[in-house]
Amino acid sequence: EDQVTQSPEALRLQEGESSSLNCSYTVSGLRGLFWYRQDPGKGPEFLFTLYSAGEEKEKERLKATLTKKESFLHITAPKPEDSATYLCAVQVQGSSNTGKLIFGQGTTLQVKP
Amino acid sequence: NAGVTQTPKFRILKIGQSMTLQCTQDMNHNYMYWYRQDPGMGLKLIYYSVGAGITDKGEVPNGYNVSRSTTEDFPLRLELAAPSQTSVYFCASTRTANYGYTFGSGTRLTVV
Repeated sequence: EDQVTQSPEALRLQEGESSSLNCSYTVSGLRGLFWYRQDPGKGPEFLFTLYSAGEEKEKERLKATLTKKESFLHITAPKPEDSATYLCAVQVQGSSNTGKLIFGQGTTLQVKP
Repeated sequence: NAGVTQTPKFRILKIGQSMTLQCTQDMNHNYMYWYRQDPGMGLKLIYYSVGAGITDKGEVPNGYNVSRSTTEDFPLRLELAAPSQTSVYFCASTRTANYGYTFGSGTRLTVV
């Protein structure tokens, strides 16, 4: 069964304290891995797509990396406005013509000033 | 552009009642999706559509129904509401199957 697991469930950081969020996946074949940010009471907002092991993408203080078994979302010198829930999702081979995604349960990040 | 618009934002239903959650997008996206989000469970796919007139079941379709008569609209119908359908419902769309989704702001549904 295709599965996506995120860790930790919750993470508290001080402003400026860098860290990483993990997304591990077990799928029959990976077509793409997606990261989203979700603020309380809102819909998720798309951040990145990674397609192959070794690929990296950056946006401001966020950098996403991909290996054959997991993805990391690195947050460098976070600010309070980075506080949100970060969702990871995978698209598996065979579903690439439908766009269906399998989501992890999310990591809730709190950055304190 | 409005993006993906969902209505209503909140709704309380009694057990056995029915309702339709509305979703419309103005980006001319062919691909549209309905997910539900429960605490600690992640987003689960209910139904999806790859174009007008085409719909298919996702992971958790029981108790729901959809239609896609136009590119813009993708309503989700709940028949005979049950407490297990208490959740936050998100509609999403994308221009191609490999592109990131644009989500609506969600509908919080409580069934009592």
